[in-house]
Amino acid sequence: AQRVTQPEKLLSVFKGAPVELKCNYSYSGSPELFWYVQYSRQRLQLLLRHISRESIKGFTADLNKGETSFHLKKPFAQEEDSAMYYCALFNTGGFKTIFGAGTRLFVKA
Amino acid sequence: GAGVSQTPSNKVTEKGKYVELRCDPISGHTALYWYRQSLGQGPEFLIYFQGTGAADDSGLPNDRFFAVRPEGSVSTLKIQRTERGDSAVYLCASSAKGRITEAFFGQGTRLTVV
Repeated sequence: AQRVTQPEKLLSVFKGAPVELKCNYSYSGSPELFWYVQYSRQRLQLLLRHISRESIKGFTADLNKGETSFHLKKPFAQEEDSAMYYCALFNTGGFKTIFGAGTRLFVKA
Repeated sequence: GAGVSQTPSNKVTEKGKYVELRCDPISGHTALYWYRQSLGQGPEFLIYFQGTGAADDSGLPNDRFFAVRPEGSVSTLKIQRTERGDSAVYLCASSAKGRITEAFFGQGTRLTVV
């Protein structure tokens, strides 16, 4: 079964501290993994994708096929990073994107 | 318009009633998605349109749910005989290239069935 698991519903860190939002997936094939972000009162938007191997707003995520993980990391959290973060898996055989339940990141001053 | 527009933003209806939720995609976007987000959960895929046709409707939970896109632009999600369990935020997204990762999401319609 295809599944995305985000084990933490809430993650609270101090400004300047490192942050890691965990994501594990289950998929029989070559997955495409993404992170989406939703800031307060804003729309859901794509943050980054594993294919691009990019860094967006200081965030990076590495796909680890051995551990079936795609954790999102940032070395120094900022207050403006406070938001809801969703890990997602794209079903390359169709059109579905499967989302995790989300992790709320709260960065304290 | 500037982005994906969903109306109404909020809808409260009584159990058993019929509701329609509307999505206006970005002009020129041929791909359109509907997702449902229940409290404390991530978005859950419902249906995908490419043009006027539903290319994948496997996420519709049962036959009370139906969606149309007759002219390949505006889409309407229709729910018959609503149940309290249908209460959720219904999200619409559109993209020019048919990939959800290049799609833009609307603000959603919050449906509450009382």
